[in-house]
Amino acid sequence: GNSVTQMEGPVTLSEEAFLTINCTYTATGYPSLFWYVQYPGEGLQLLLKATKADDKGSNKGFEATYRKETTSFHLEKGSVQVSDSAVYFCALSQRAQKLVFGQGTRLTINP
Amino acid sequence: EPEVTQTPSHQVTQMGQEVILRCVPISNHLYFYWYRQILGQKVEFLVSFYNNEISEKSEIFDDQFSVERPDGSNFTLKIRSTKLEDSAMYFCASSEVQGYSGELFFGEGSRLTVL
Repeated sequence: GNSVTQMEGPVTLSEEAFLTINCTYTATGYPSLFWYVQYPGEGLQLLLKATKADDKGSNKGFEATYRKETTSFHLEKGSVQVSDSAVYFCALSQRAQKLVFGQGTRLTINP
Repeated sequence: EPEVTQTPSHQVTQMGQEVILRCVPISNHLYFYWYRQILGQKVEFLVSFYNNEISEKSEIFDDQFSVERPDGSNFTLKIRSTKLEDSAMYFCASSEVQGYSGELFFGEGSRLTVL
């Protein structure tokens, strides 16, 4: 079945550091790929998405590129801020819109 | 900005008791979902609901679970006889359209603790 694997957390960085959170997936066909973010005390919010190979999703300085050859969708940001502290979830979806999530990565940014 | 709201934010119950978790989806959305996250584990799909019936459910969603849209605005998840392993954060979500490019909007979650 479909599955998503994220890098283990927690991840702690200093402000302005470069961020990478790895995500790989297993799926038949061509799923859509998503990054969701959960800020403290809030629900899951869509951060970015990509629906076909080589697409790049971007939002709020975050980027992720759909790499079919490596079945990956790594999340990157060039310079993180304290306000980026949250839990990040990689997810995929096929046809029926049911999302399959990774385990989440807790990110803490220190000033 | 429209949002999905869930109540209660936290419920503590005794094993064997019935629990109802409530959700108010975004008003023009047509597709509704429940997901759950056991502490430290992945967010798991439970059930999707469209046109007043279940459209898909997971293996987790057994006879102890049921969903209902009683009045056109609320969307509820009922657990008939709670077990310890039902302790989790339960997320409601809704979407306007079906299809893999549709965005799901999630609520803040309801934390259920079964003692």
